[in-house]
Amino acid sequence: GAGVSQTPSNKVTEKGKYVELRCDPISGHTALYWYRQSLGQGPEFLIYFQGTGAADDSGLPNDRFFAVRPEGSVSTLKIQRTERGDSAVYLCASSITQNTEAFFGQGTRLTVV
Amino acid sequence: AQSVAQPEDQVNVAEGNPLTVKCTYSVSGNPYLFWYVQYPNRGLQFLLKYITGDNLVKGSYGFEAEFNKSQTSFHLKKPSALVSDSALYFCAVRDIGGQGFSFIFGKGTRLLVKP
Repeated sequence: GAGVSQTPSNKVTEKGKYVELRCDPISGHTALYWYRQSLGQGPEFLIYFQGTGAADDSGLPNDRFFAVRPEGSVSTLKIQRTERGDSAVYLCASSITQNTEAFFGQGTRLTVV
Repeated sequence: AQSVAQPEDQVNVAEGNPLTVKCTYSVSGNPYLFWYVQYPNRGLQFLLKYITGDNLVKGSYGFEAEFNKSQTSFHLKKPSALVSDSALYFCAVRDIGGQGFSFIFGKGTRLLVKP
């Protein structure tokens, strides 16, 4: 597709469960970002990939959060032992390089009950 | 550390009037600056950016922004507002030469254009 694709668009899970959120960036974009947006707030940075490696994971809130991008394209954000406070919209973005604008997907709305 | 401030939670303007949405930033190095718009239940859409060069940058949908280094500001402007411009607007900064690679976003400003 032409844009950043995120699946699923909505995810409801029970507290304590494990979830995976997928991001398919724009073809050819080497930079990939994950953000989290809570209601009424701006996007909060989680992690940045340049190619396959996580160049900056300083925004991950704790060790329950992990992300991979094994082939430098699709990325998966993984959350273990989910908590109600993890409920938010998780946004993925990609850019051609780290110095150009990022294009965002529609997000995955995660609800932990 | 880099940061972005959008001092107004909401801006109200009548259709046809000029609009300004304010943004100030703080970085240790040189800034790359961006504006994004978010419509209800939609993702963030890129509007415009300042990387280098002319301080006045033009973007999508008739929007423009002026980079002011001395005031560390990057206010978004449009000469004549449309009702369809009503949305949530986010300013973002990237600190080139600083630590980290992330875009840091402001908390957003809701623009309401009334007919």
